[in-house]
This record gives sequence, structure tokens and C-alpha cells, in this order.
Amino acid sequence: DSGVTQTPKHLITATGQRVTLRCSPRSGDLSVYWYQQSLDQGLQFLIHYYNGEERAKGNILERFSAQQFPDLHSELNLSSLELGDSALYFCASTRGGGNTEAFFGQGTRLTVV
Amino acid sequence: KNQVEQSPQSLIILEGKNCTLQCNYTVSPFSNLRWYKQDTGRGPVSLTIMTFSENTKSNGRYTATLDADTKQSSLHITASQLSDSASYICVVSPSSGTYKYIFGTGTRLKVLA
Repeated sequence: DSGVTQTPKHLITATGQRVTLRCSPRSGDLSVYWYQQSLDQGLQFLIHYYNGEERAKGNILERFSAQQFPDLHSELNLSSLELGDSALYFCASTRGGGNTEAFFGQGTRLTVV
Repeated sequence: KNQVEQSPQSLIILEGKNCTLQCNYTVSPFSNLRWYKQDTGRGPVSLTIMTFSENTKSNGRYTATLDADTKQSSLHITASQLSDSASYICVVSPSSGTYKYIFGTGTRLKVLA
């Protein structure tokens, strides 16, 4: 158990809908990263938050947004969903610095039908 | 462009054999390099992390090496076990000042009895 909790584990929704994925980082970790992993693809960095502030953006679509709350949990909001958004979405947390280890949650499997 | 390339894409070996996975990167400036193991449908788990000044790092049967001059890293697995069947991902951090991780697409290892 990495200590990073993601909910829900599975999500099935229709095209055009909006969903929210939740991530609770390890106790004491200030950084949360979101990644998308499509079938048989590598992890694609979406966005990074540190202590409530957005720090870096990757290939995140405008239909996607995220935030990190004062209690350090984070939510990834996906709207106007398309079939191609079906993927595993992972979050990872670290203490903060670039040399610290990142711990990944077990992911949320999103299926858009 | 910062890239991380891994080879081979997939590998099948017999239980008890050794194997070596390769990672070539063009990321510069470079802060650290990590190897992760990802079981199918699960979150990645850290195996090793090396800064640019380290040449080798071991974690049980896993040994990672790094040549910062040639921008190459390898992960050597000794006496493979069935549980080693997974994807192995090389991740490079561009610099200590940023928090982005650039992921390779991974090597899928299958260990057969």
C-alpha cells in the first residue's frame, strides 16, 4: 500500500458527461501529480499541484481541470467526455523536492461509452 | 525535445534467468532518473532513484546503472521470478528546479516458468 488513495477505482460514464476523480496523498506529502495512461501507452503527465498551488501543466486538455484543497487532497475534473478519454488516471504524491520518491495510487479506470 | 526511450519494448525470459532493460534519454539538464515497476492495471512502484552523480543503485535483485555522459541507464534483474512479470518504466526529471517527470513507454517483461 503506497498510502495514496484514489477514488473511485472504476467509473463508467457516457460521452458528454462530467466526472470528478479524487486523490488523497500520503500523510505529509505536499505535491500531487496527475497522470493519464491510455491502453498500452505510457503515463502522460497532466498537472502538478504543490501545497494548493498549480506548479506545472503537461498535456492537459482544456476540458480537464484540477485543484488541490487546503487538506491537500486533489480532484481532477473531466468534462464533455469523449470515448478517447477512456484511460487509467493515476495520481502520485511526493514530499515536494524533485529528488524525493513519488508514490502512486492504484488509479481510477475511466470508461466512456 | 526531452525524451525517454526504452528498449526492448517487450521481453520474454525463463524463470531464473537474468535480463537487462535499457533506457536512453535526451533530457537536459538532468536531475535524477528513476525506475518503476508497474503491474498490469496497478500504480507504478518505485524500484530505484539515482541522481546524476550516482552510477549504480541496487534494490534486492534489481540493479540500476547510470551513465550521465552517454545519457543511458539500465536495469538489471537477477534470477528472475514469475512475480517480476510487469512493465518497467524509466522516468527522468529534467532538473531539480522543476517537478515534471518524463516517462518512458516502458518495457513489458514476461517471466515464464
